[in-house]
Amino acid sequence: LAKTTQPISMDSYEGQEVNITCSHNNIATNDYITWYQQFPSQGPRFIIQGYKTKVTNEVASLFIPADRKSSTLSLPRVSLSDTAVYYCLVGDEGRGSTLGRLYFGRGTQLTVWP
Amino acid sequence: DAGVTQSPTHLIKTRGQQVTLRCSPKSGHDTVSWYQQALGQGPQFIFQYYEEEERQRGNFPDRFSGHQFPNYSSELNVNALLLGDSALYLCASSAQLAGVADTQYFGPGTRLTVL
Repeated sequence: LAKTTQPISMDSYEGQEVNITCSHNNIATNDYITWYQQFPSQGPRFIIQGYKTKVTNEVASLFIPADRKSSTLSLPRVSLSDTAVYYCLVGDEGRGSTLGRLYFGRGTQLTVWP
Repeated sequence: DAGVTQSPTHLIKTRGQQVTLRCSPKSGHDTVSWYQQALGQGPQFIFQYYEEEERQRGNFPDRFSGHQFPNYSSELNVNALLLGDSALYLCASSAQLAGVADTQYFGPGTRLTVL
């Protein structure tokens, strides 16, 4: 099972771009990389998922280098409402897995200041 | 298109009691997973239901049980409640695509407080 390592906390200011990097050295060939966002007392919200190179949607971009041992979630021009915990997950999770169970770490607490 | 719904939103019980939490999956999804999230921690996998059967289970005691109905909705039952069962209980739904689990989408959760 691939383990992930991400910073416990990050701070930013409104309007800045935020990049959260996740390390997953033991990622398996079939594993996808998935990011969730969670606000206090709410369920995690799916942000983005990718396998390699770059994925972009209306919310974020996900950059995955060729060796896939890390990934970077990029949030453009953050606002106060982006203050939340962000989880990086790989392995046995969602697409690409026959098991479909999610393993969450403690995530990264992003705080956006005015 | 309705997302994942859970009921109730909040619940207060006393030690030793039993509780039932309910989940309706997102339209088109047939797989339901349950997670427990203690304060300050990430969600922990309890178990997953597909085709009305428990497919896999996390490291939780038998006090935690579940059920999936023919319409894919699900219940989580916890017996003999302990103070440590106080947590946010999350339901996630997904679809099986050619035998492979697709992205999971979470409901808003049920906050259980055990006194």
